[in-house]
Amino acid sequence: GENVEQHPSTLSVQEGDSAVIKCTYSDSASNYFPWYKQELGKRPQLIIDIRSNVGEKKDQRIAVTLNKTAKHFSLHITETQPEDSAVYFCASKQGSQGNLIFGKGTKLSVKP
Amino acid sequence: DTEVTQTPKHLVMGMTNKKSLKCEQHMGHRAMYWYKQKAKKPPELMFVYSYEKLSINESVPSRFSPECPNSSLLNLHLHALQPEDSALYLCASSQGQGAQNTIYFGEGSWLTVV
Repeated sequence: GENVEQHPSTLSVQEGDSAVIKCTYSDSASNYFPWYKQELGKRPQLIIDIRSNVGEKKDQRIAVTLNKTAKHFSLHITETQPEDSAVYFCASKQGSQGNLIFGKGTKLSVKP
Repeated sequence: DTEVTQTPKHLVMGMTNKKSLKCEQHMGHRAMYWYKQKAKKPPELMFVYSYEKLSINESVPSRFSPECPNSSLLNLHLHALQPEDSALYLCASSQGQGAQNTIYFGEGSWLTVV
């Protein structure tokens, strides 16, 4: 079955710096890759997603890139702010079953 | 509106109790999900309902019993739980079950089994 690896597990950056989180997946049939942000005690919240027919997608300070050949996708956050501090989960989803397979998460800390 | 509503927000129950978690969405979504999330771990899929029929059961113990009374409601009945079942239970929904459909999570129900 599908396996999603996520790195790093923790990431600490200074406010204003960029943050990059990387994920790899194993199943070439996966075709949808969402990113969720989860603040302490709250639900996972979708922040951006990308489908396999697109290589890059951007929404203000957040961007996601997808390399289907290498089976990896990355989340890029520019000009980080303290409120970006949270756990970020990547996930993949395939075909008709639609099960989300999550990475183990990255705890991002943005220091003021 | 991408609202998935869960009740109760917090639940403490004994190992002999019977309780239920409830989930509601009015987005016309036809796929609904139950996930379990332990601290510092990603959500784990438990059940998927598609068009009110159980589509996926990820080998969940029978002490968890899902029910989908209609297309807007999803319940999770709990009976004879163990302390290790304490977790955040997340309901989610999507337009359909296919990969092109975004999954939206509810706020979750924090369950403590004593």
